[in-house]
Amino acid sequence: GAGVSQSPRYKVAKRGQDVALRCDPISGHVSLFWYQQALGQGPEFLTYFQNEAQLDKSGLPSDRFFAERPEGSVSTLKIQRTQQEDSAVYLCASSHAGIPVLDTIYFGEGSWLTVV
Amino acid sequence: GDSVTQMEGPVTLSEEAFLTINCTYTATGYPSLFWYVQYPGEGLQLLLKATKADDKGSNKGFEATYRKETTSFHLEKGSVQVSDSAVYFCALSDRDAGGTSYGKLTFGQGTILTVHP
Repeated sequence: GAGVSQSPRYKVAKRGQDVALRCDPISGHVSLFWYQQALGQGPEFLTYFQNEAQLDKSGLPSDRFFAERPEGSVSTLKIQRTQQEDSAVYLCASSHAGIPVLDTIYFGEGSWLTVV
Repeated sequence: GDSVTQMEGPVTLSEEAFLTINCTYTATGYPSLFWYVQYPGEGLQLLLKATKADDKGSNKGFEATYRKETTSFHLEKGSVQVSDSAVYFCALSDRDAGGTSYGKLTFGQGTILTVHP
């Protein structure tokens, strides 16, 4: 597609509910990132995929958070037993290169999660 | 660990005023430095970048110089426009001594800029 697409754009979940957030990266992009952005803060790294391999998941805040990219394209971030502190915007980003240190990283518009 | 500190906002300016948004960083390796911008209702966009000391990144009239001696990457624009109103994020991507990085970004907290006509 033309850009990184995320769905749903807005999600309200009851505390304890499981949620799944989807990311469609730009076609052909090797690298995919998930970030969490709390209100009034900068994005914080969650996890990184190179194709289908999850090379870094050091930013996932707890074992309730799980991400996958089984075919190396679409990715899903799953949050189990949501808590109020999970309320944030979840950003997906992708890059063409496998080592994108100098390559442009493209961000989606984010999925806004509110846990009530 | 790596960290980025931005000047606290919000910043409110009149059109054609001079803009500076301060950014300082802490990194263990040899970071690349970035400024991202988020316009209302849109996703984060790369504004400019610099990959080594003394490099100057520039785009759309904005500039920032990578200052290793002061660990800074301040954003400047000589004459702001109403259309520059947005949230600006300073960020870094660290690299090890071998120059390897997969591009993980560490962001500052963001600075809200509002420009009035």
